[in-house]
Amino acid sequence: KNEVEQSPQNLTAQEGEFITINCSYSVGISALHWLQQHPGGGIVSLFMLSSGKKKHGRLIATINIQEKHSSLHITASHPRDSAVYICAVPYSGGGADGLTFGKGTHLIIQP
Amino acid sequence: NAGVTQTPKFRILKIGQSMTLQCTQDMNHNYMYWYRQDPGMGLKLIYYSVGAGITDKGEVPNGYNVSRSTTEDFPLRLELAAPSQTSVYFCASNLYRGLNEQFFGPGTRLTVL
Repeated sequence: KNEVEQSPQNLTAQEGEFITINCSYSVGISALHWLQQHPGGGIVSLFMLSSGKKKHGRLIATINIQEKHSSLHITASHPRDSAVYICAVPYSGGGADGLTFGKGTHLIIQP
Repeated sequence: NAGVTQTPKFRILKIGQSMTLQCTQDMNHNYMYWYRQDPGMGLKLIYYSVGAGITDKGEVPNGYNVSRSTTEDFPLRLELAAPSQTSVYFCASNLYRGLNEQFFGPGTRLTVL
């Protein structure tokens, strides 16, 4: 079973700051997921990546397969970015058996 | 498309009662999952299914049962509710194993007293 560690657990920043959230995992993977959990509880997928970098708006996700590490960056952060950000990888092997998740990073962006 | 829907949104059970959490998806996804989320912990996999008629245990299956008679529906059954099952339950689906975006339902908040 893959183990996932995220850091930091909590992060408070001022509007406009550049945000970085880190994720490490223990076993080689085919793909890594970044998810966002809104204050109301809903979970949405932000990125799924297996190599390199992906960008969507102000969000950028990178992954280093050799080092088993991924980062999620938020540029020009805004209070609406306040949420829990979760890293997840396949539970085992090919991923048919779901995902295993980090505990999440609770991000608060203050105006 | 409604995506993944779950009912009920909230439920309070007494110890020893039974209930079924409903999950339906309209995206024709073969892969479906049940997760539970406890405060301060990551989501944990309870059961999963790779298609109609095929289910298997995840990391924390004790106290739960599932069935998958159709592609659309994946209900989760609690037979004898215990306080340790107080949690938020999420159903999810994806098209192709863990290599595609997972779509999550809105969750069911269950309290067992």
